[in-house]
Amino acid sequence: ETGVTQTPRHLVMGMTNKKSLKCEQHLGHNAMYWYKQSAKKPLELMFVYNFKEQTENNSVPSRFSPECPNSSHLFLHLHTLQPEDSALYLCASSQGSWPVIVYEQYFGPGTRLTVT
Amino acid sequence: AQSVTQLGSHVSVSEGALVLLRCNYSSSVPPYLFWYVQYPNQGLQLLLKYTSAATLVKGINGFEAEFKKSETSFHLTKPSAHMSDAAEYFCAVSDNGGATNKLIFGTGTLLAVQP
Repeated sequence: ETGVTQTPRHLVMGMTNKKSLKCEQHLGHNAMYWYKQSAKKPLELMFVYNFKEQTENNSVPSRFSPECPNSSHLFLHLHTLQPEDSALYLCASSQGSWPVIVYEQYFGPGTRLTVT
Repeated sequence: AQSVTQLGSHVSVSEGALVLLRCNYSSSVPPYLFWYVQYPNQGLQLLLKYTSAATLVKGINGFEAEFKKSETSFHLTKPSAHMSDAAEYFCAVSDNGGATNKLIFGTGTLLAVQP
């Protein structure tokens, strides 16, 4: 595997289900990100992890719960979602640093989530 | 706060014609700027980046962009469009000075290439 991988690629879930999205990066990076991409809306940053520490939570509802067990893996745990949460969820990674230096981000293919 | 504006949500060109996708930014500090491309059902792929070195930046697939501080612009160009260039293009600016390595994305421009 190379780059950033995401599983599953497609997910359909009911509003009462609990599911998780997985992201893995094979680039040796230390920063990871979750984005939400909805039709006709700008890309929304949800969470940022730098060296496994969460450094950004962009006012995301608590029904989305991120987990970063190590610098290579990032999860997004989902529960009691709403239909408006249907979107493409993108994971990205970049080099991490303290203090922060801007590096380009590399994206996975995304998980297309449909909430019914 | 940093922001990005992409003029034109849809652009259509003929194959072989010049591609020009516009991006203007707002930043209180020297920005880092990026162009990404997204093909259908895929994630975003980095085309090129500006990080305060040369103002004319060359990227992949024959694309380039020029940083113009006086115009606060970072427009993306390609001399001759190919059918495979049809995709959505996103301009992004770095949130320099923030506590995280955060990029602010524009709303995207969908490029159509006509035969």
